[in-house]
Amino acid sequence: NAGVTQTPKFQVLKTGQSMTLQCAQDMNHEYMSWYRQDPGMGLRLIHYSVGAGITDQGEVPNGYNVSRSTTEDFPLRLLSAAPSQTSVYFCASSFSAYNSPLHFGNGTRLTVT
Amino acid sequence: KNEVEQSPQNLTAQEGEFITINCSYSVGISALHWLQQHPGGGIVSLFMLSSGKKKHGRLIATINIQEKHSSLHITASHPRDSAVYICARHTRMNRDDKIIFGKGTRLHILP
Repeated sequence: NAGVTQTPKFQVLKTGQSMTLQCAQDMNHEYMSWYRQDPGMGLRLIHYSVGAGITDQGEVPNGYNVSRSTTEDFPLRLLSAAPSQTSVYFCASSFSAYNSPLHFGNGTRLTVT
Repeated sequence: KNEVEQSPQNLTAQEGEFITINCSYSVGISALHWLQQHPGGGIVSLFMLSSGKKKHGRLIATINIQEKHSSLHITASHPRDSAVYICARHTRMNRDDKIIFGKGTRLHILP
């Protein structure tokens, strides 16, 4: 079982560039979510999805788009990268957010110059 | 204001000591998660609970729903327990289905 697979592990972007962070899980989990982790801030929810075709905003959604066309995949798109988006990004999934444990990907360290 | 407050922020203890990390939250919850993040960055789930107490090895998690408070205990602590411990609350309200995290407690166990 691969669990939650996040790619890439590292990425450097220039201001204004766009990119997609990939997240895939093979556990048939309904709930998937994206977080960013900044020093002193803890993990903050960007977007989440409770199933294919359903997405919703978290605490810090501005500058990010998501889609959930399949149960397995939940990509995060940065439309026009800004230095404020320099962070470590984690994807997580669970069978259900309220009664099953979270499984995290290994993270993507993104630097925007 | 973070809706999930953890204390202490940092904790250094000697090997073998009993460790307690506290988590308070401000709204009703569906579940409370405890997670561990090692210096390498990977995050693993330790517990998910909505009432009472759970135990796994030397780790014990408790929750008091009325007081909106949870604790994570580590018995016979060991240097390999050194990590950041994070609590997170899940609340289902109207259409919201969010998990909100505390800022974490950095634990350092000295040999």
